[in-house]
Amino acid sequence: EADIYQTPRYLVIGTGKKITLECSQTMGHDKMYWYQQDPGMELHLIHYSYGVNSTEKGDLSSESTVSRIRTEHFPLTLESARPSHTSQYLCASVTGNTEAFFGQGTRLTVV
Amino acid sequence: SQQGEEDPQALSIQEGENATMNCSYKTSINNLQWYRQNSGRGLVHLILIRSNEREKHSGRLRVTLDTSKKSSSLLITASRAADTASYFCATYGNFNKFYFGSGTKLNVKP
Repeated sequence: EADIYQTPRYLVIGTGKKITLECSQTMGHDKMYWYQQDPGMELHLIHYSYGVNSTEKGDLSSESTVSRIRTEHFPLTLESARPSHTSQYLCASVTGNTEAFFGQGTRLTVV
Repeated sequence: SQQGEEDPQALSIQEGENATMNCSYKTSINNLQWYRQNSGRGLVHLILIRSNEREKHSGRLRVTLDTSKKSSSLLITASRAADTASYFCATYGNFNKFYFGSGTKLNVKP
């Protein structure tokens, strides 16, 4: 089992709310990634990080932000959730050999 | 797609048959990987092939890579019902970007 955890597993919130999706890993990996995936569809890279204090936007335009203050923690924040943000969000951390370990995902529904 | 295309999009076979799925990618790569995703869950790493390798085996999995055609294939031999899942190829290239393909949904009927 990979030591990468995402919370919450499921979240239903109202439009306009601010939310933070948590992702933590205990493997000491420098590289971490956030993906958005609609059911049965491809993964879209939305943010990634090389290490502490480094964050980059992916290729999919996203209204979310991330931070990387500690190696093990890579939270994703939506300042004002909208129904179009309804999706599954997957966090991954990557070894030096570029093998990715994924969390179980957060399934977000904005009503 | 950020990465490229996989085909077929869906594949349905009988238990015991072989399953082949293909992946094409767009950029130059350091390596190509294959992942499996069970419904609604995170992805699990299956196998990695480096850009200077042409073929790799792991158990019932066989992966090929053709960098001149920017394509890869994953073969699962003697499939089992438990192999039912979505399979994604992934490339790790420049600027630390890690891209995934569109996936192939495999259904293995018992």
